[in-house]
Order: sequence, then structure tokens, then C-alpha cells
Amino acid sequence: SQQGEEDPQALSIQEGENATMNCSYKTSINNLQWYRQNSGRGLVHLILIRSNEREKHSGRLRVTLDTSKKSSSLLITASRAADTASYFCAAKHGAGNQFYFGTGTSLTVIP
Amino acid sequence: GAVVSQHPSWVICKSGTSVKIECRSLDFQATTMFWYRQFPKQSLMLMATSNEGSKATYEQGVEKDKFLINHASLTLSTLTVTSAHPEDSSFYICSARGGLYGYTFGSGTRLTVV
Repeated sequence: SQQGEEDPQALSIQEGENATMNCSYKTSINNLQWYRQNSGRGLVHLILIRSNEREKHSGRLRVTLDTSKKSSSLLITASRAADTASYFCAAKHGAGNQFYFGTGTSLTVIP
Repeated sequence: GAVVSQHPSWVICKSGTSVKIECRSLDFQATTMFWYRQFPKQSLMLMATSNEGSKATYEQGVEKDKFLINHASLTLSTLTVTSAHPEDSSFYICSARGGLYGYTFGSGTRLTVV
């Protein structure tokens, strides 16, 4: 299976704190994307990082990529209750078009 | 921006019947679409890759005779769950190659087989 692993599986924090989620993948990638999913809904694209990039920022989001460790992290700063959702990384490998999703992190931000 | 419309958003069907789910790219052409399945509190599992005008490519372990995929036009792919059973109850999501980030996802279909 190409599916990646994410940790933690669940994370509960107070509003205003930072949330960090980690993703590991198995084979080399072209790029890695992070998505957010509210319960029972579709996926919302958050950020894409290419294999030759090490860090990217978008608003309160910061993504890092370590290709030597085959891992990525998503940091959400100054969390808000509205950030409560599941977060998935998705890795694009090789020449194929497919994305393989990580196992996801369920984030709960307590107001 | 690119939009992928997926219908229906939810469906309840009787065991043994078939259900068709549509995935449309609204403002771009998608030669390739993907179908995923997601069980409660789990990740998305790629089921198949749908290519316009040709047969779909199924991931290992996915029954192609049970999950029929048709990609007859550049804007429409359909997934038909044939002879559905309760174990097929799941959340099905499509995505299309296109849009700002390369891939755009539909909003998903919640299938419940009773």
C-alpha cells in the first residue's frame, strides 16, 4: 500500500495554541499536498509543497518537507475553533496521476 | 476557480440495487478523474483512475465488476455501485485533474445501503 501515516491520529488543543501534524510517506514524491475535511464533507485544498522545496507558508499555515526522512509537517498557528476538522496529507508519487492519502489527523480546537 | 460537482451528495438504497454517482468538472476539461472511498474516521483510499475514452484502472483489491466506472466525456465520470450491500456503505469522493493546484475534489457522496 502506498498510503502514508499521519500522527497524531487525534489532537485536542485550546484556541490560540499551535497545532502540529506530521505525515510520513513511503516512496519518493513529486509533491505533497495538505487537505482539510470537515465532518462528512469533501476536501479543501490547503497547501502544496514540491519535492525541491523545504518550507512553505500560507497565512497561519506552515508546511515543511524533509525528503531524506520522507516526512512532512503542517503547523497551524494561533488556532481557532473553526480549525476543527480532519487534516490529510496526500503524496503524489512518480509519473502517475494518483494521490495517496495519509491516515489523517483529527484536530479539535476548544474555544 | 475549478469546480468539481458531485451528485448526489447522499443516497440511501436497498441491498441488491445499483447506485450511480456522477462527477462533473464544471469549468474545465478533465481527461483524468479519480474515485476514492472513505470509511468513517478513516482516510481516503484510491479506488480507481478514470480516463476519458478508455477503461478505468483499478487499484488492487477493488472489484471492477462491482464498481463500474464510465468516463464518456471530458467533463463527466460516473461510478456505479452494482448490487450494493451494507458493507459498501461509505463516503465516495471524486477528484479531477485540473484547476489551480492540479487536482480538484468533489464534495463527496454518502452512500448508505440498507
